[in-house]
Amino acid sequence: ETGVTQSPTHLIKTRGQQVTLRCSSQSGHNTVSWYQQALGQGPQFIFQYYREEENGRGNFPPRFSGLQFPNYSSELNVNALELDDSALYLCASSLPQGSGEQYFGPGTRLTVT
Amino acid sequence: GENVEQHPSTLSVQEGDSAVIKCTYSDSASNYFPWYKQELGKGPQLIIDIRSNVGEKKDQRIAVTLNKTAKHFSLHITETQPEDSAVYFCAAKTNTGFQKLVFGTGTRLLVSP
Repeated sequence: ETGVTQSPTHLIKTRGQQVTLRCSSQSGHNTVSWYQQALGQGPQFIFQYYREEENGRGNFPPRFSGLQFPNYSSELNVNALELDDSALYLCASSLPQGSGEQYFGPGTRLTVT
Repeated sequence: GENVEQHPSTLSVQEGDSAVIKCTYSDSASNYFPWYKQELGKGPQLIIDIRSNVGEKKDQRIAVTLNKTAKHFSLHITETQPEDSAVYFCAAKTNTGFQKLVFGTGTRLLVSP
């Protein structure tokens, strides 16, 4: 186990709704990255938080937003949900920039109907 | 941006055989190459990684090789066991100011007893 936890495990939402996913990073890790993994695909980078600031973003629209808290835990918020947002959402925690190693949580399975 | 290609998409071997998964990357600035194992219903688990200043790394039955000139890296699993059955992902990290991993599309490995 990596020590990275995510909640909830599963979630079902309706198109147009908003959702908040949560992640607690491994002890001592102050960098959190979020990824979207569609069925049968590799994870796609959404964004990364370091010291409570977003410091990198992938090719995702602004309706994907996040927060990082002083204890390094993080939230992913998605507004105006679309059917294509159905996926496994993964968070990964890591040591300060430069080490490269990222440790993933078990993910949150989001289904949008 | 970085692009990672992974082959094969599926690989079936007999228990005790070796398995090899290959990846190529496009960005010559990439400097960190991890491999992840993902079992059904779980998040990706880091199993081995290699940095650009090393050509080969081994950890018991698994090894990774890197050819920077050809921009290729490979995962080698020897003496495969049924519990090695999973989806394996390669990834690459470029030397940017943040830790973004770009993943391959995955290889489903099936080890038959």
